[in-house]
Amino acid sequence: NAGVTQTPKFQVLKTGQSMTLQCAQDMNHEYMSWYRQDPGMGLRLIHYSVGAGITDQGEVPNGYNVSRSTTEDFPLRLLSAAPSQTSVYFCASSYSGGSTGELFFGEGSRLTVL
Amino acid sequence: ILNVEQSPQSLHVQEGDSTNFTCSFPSSNFYALHWYRWETAKSPEALFVMTLNGDEKKKGRISATLNTKEGYSYLYIKGSQPEDSATYLCAFTPGGADGLTFGKGTHLIIQP
Repeated sequence: NAGVTQTPKFQVLKTGQSMTLQCAQDMNHEYMSWYRQDPGMGLRLIHYSVGAGITDQGEVPNGYNVSRSTTEDFPLRLLSAAPSQTSVYFCASSYSGGSTGELFFGEGSRLTVL
Repeated sequence: ILNVEQSPQSLHVQEGDSTNFTCSFPSSNFYALHWYRWETAKSPEALFVMTLNGDEKKKGRISATLNTKEGYSYLYIKGSQPEDSATYLCAFTPGGADGLTFGKGTHLIIQP
């Protein structure tokens, strides 16, 4: 029972490089989202999707891009990495939208941008 | 930007004692309030999702109450055990939103 799977778990980038954080879920959840966790701050919503082909911005979307071509996958792309994007990233999905459905989280991806 | 406040920031409790902590959120346009438990080196796991004023939910020794009119929720742990050591997160969503705003969490340490 895999749940929400994120890859990679750790990544080091140089400023200006691009990369994609992968997220896949096997629970047939329509809702998927990306959060970032920074020291001294709560989890902050980057982007979310309420179904295949539909994405929308969260609280901190700048510098990130997402797409949702299938129900299972929701990759997060960093277009040109900056040190301010050093963070731990969590993908989360829900069976019942992004408000009343409990979120199921992946294990997190720790990204360092030098 | 919505303001979700949790207090205290951290808490040390003796094993066997009961404890509680608070989540405050905007009282207007309330839709749902979530509680999550986040153990070190793991991912956050859902405890409760609450939607109605006066709601009380319970899971084992952990329970939660909700007051949407005054904008707060309490999480209670009865007879704390070492395995209760974790960070407890609350998250709020207003009507019409499709995402949660999280508080910074209460870091609970149970001392044997």
